[in-house]
Amino acid sequence: KQEVTQIPAALSVPEGENLVLNCSFTDSAIYNLQWFRQDPGKGLTSLLLIQSSQREQTSGRLNASLDKSSGRSTLYIAASQPGDSATYLCAVLYGNNRLAFGKGNQVVVIP
Amino acid sequence: SQTIHQWPATLVQPVGSPLSLECTVEGTSNPNLYWYRQAAGRGLQLLFYSVGIGQISSEVPQNLSASRPQDRQFILSSKKLLLSDSGFYLCAWSVPRGSSPLHFGNGTRLTVT
Repeated sequence: KQEVTQIPAALSVPEGENLVLNCSFTDSAIYNLQWFRQDPGKGLTSLLLIQSSQREQTSGRLNASLDKSSGRSTLYIAASQPGDSATYLCAVLYGNNRLAFGKGNQVVVIP
Repeated sequence: SQTIHQWPATLVQPVGSPLSLECTVEGTSNPNLYWYRQAAGRGLQLLFYSVGIGQISSEVPQNLSASRPQDRQFILSSKKLLLSDSGFYLCAWSVPRGSSPLHFGNGTRLTVT
């Protein structure tokens, strides 16, 4: 069974600092990895999707990397802003359309 | 563009009452459809997924059932709710090809009292 781990569960950073969020997964036989953002009481918003053949994806201030061999992905958010405060979840797609989710990193950006 | 609608946004139901949550997708055909539940501290749990009308796969044995009466409609039901059914229910869709992104609705907060 695929397990996805996100550590730390919660973190706070001052505004302007770069955010680094880590995701690890146990089975490297994945199809893709997706990062989501979730605001309190809301659904998940897709941020970035990295195919298994890719090493990274970028969108604006966000950059996600993927190292399949070590079972790790990192989400970088440059120059964090208070509006970046949210929970960030990573999810791994593996066999039979199954998506395994981590429990998320709860981020607070302090003005 | 594609959109996903999920309702209601919140629901409070007594134990033993029935449940019906609805999800519809617009702007795409034959999507893969999913129901997830998110409980505090436990992450997202896949409940059901469907690759076509009438085709439902259940991931977890439980008090819930799902149906797909139309191509872009996915319904989550229960005949008798339990306290343990409380949680945040999320519907999602993806394009029916391998390795495509998942898109979520805004969720339904269900409280069983």
